Amino acid sequence: GAGVSQSPSNKVTEKGKDVELRCDPISGHTALYWYRQSLGQGLEFLIYFQGNSAPDKSGLPSDRFSAERTGGSVSTLTIQRTQQEDSAVYLCASSWLAGGYEQYFGPGTRLTVT
Amino acid sequence: GIQVEQSPPDLILQEGANSTLRCNFSDSVNNLQWFHQNPWGQLINLFYIPSGTKQNGRLSATTVATERYSLLYISSSQTTDSGVYFCAVVSSGDKLTFGTGTRLAVRP
Repeated sequence: GAGVSQSPSNKVTEKGKDVELRCDPISGHTALYWYRQSLGQGLEFLIYFQGNSAPDKSGLPSDRFSAERTGGSVSTLTIQRTQQEDSAVYLCASSWLAGGYEQYFGPGTRLTVT
Repeated sequence: GIQVEQSPPDLILQEGANSTLRCNFSDSVNNLQWFHQNPWGQLINLFYIPSGTKQNGRLSATTVATERYSLLYISSSQTTDSGVYFCAVVSSGDKLTFGTGTRLAVRP
């Protein structure tokens, strides 16, 4: 079946603008995760959803970052008032359930803030 | 939080050679995964292996949970094996914590 998909694949935005990143998980997966990969910080966790609830938001770096999930499926990650340090690849993953099940990753969205 | 260390950080092999990558972690885990990040940045699942041994073609992995380490074996390496290999674990909570990776280059 189809894997995790993300859009857009690339996004260039000006400092101070808002951006929305989208993730479509594998069909039937109830858990959805956002991570980001940057040169200085490696791969780091941002937030995860079990269904439409977000039990762990501990990785969101500031209150400019928010995420939602609707219908237990698609999720959007929103970054308000983007800063240059937000430039990174944003990766989405999904798993059948949270709690240690295998996670599968999408191709990522490369965000560049100019 | 849990610490994940991978070694070596960089590895250069001649095509056909074998190699072993290591992942050490500092606490008990519910999940351990090995990934290959290809040149386009895609994370490819290699193994889901919180304990025990698994094999898939030229690749195999062993996790000794009681001693808090995992090994990834690559045999008869090919140029397409080049890229970065990540170990990632779930300890408390549900998020994956990644190691810093091993960058592998396989020369023809």
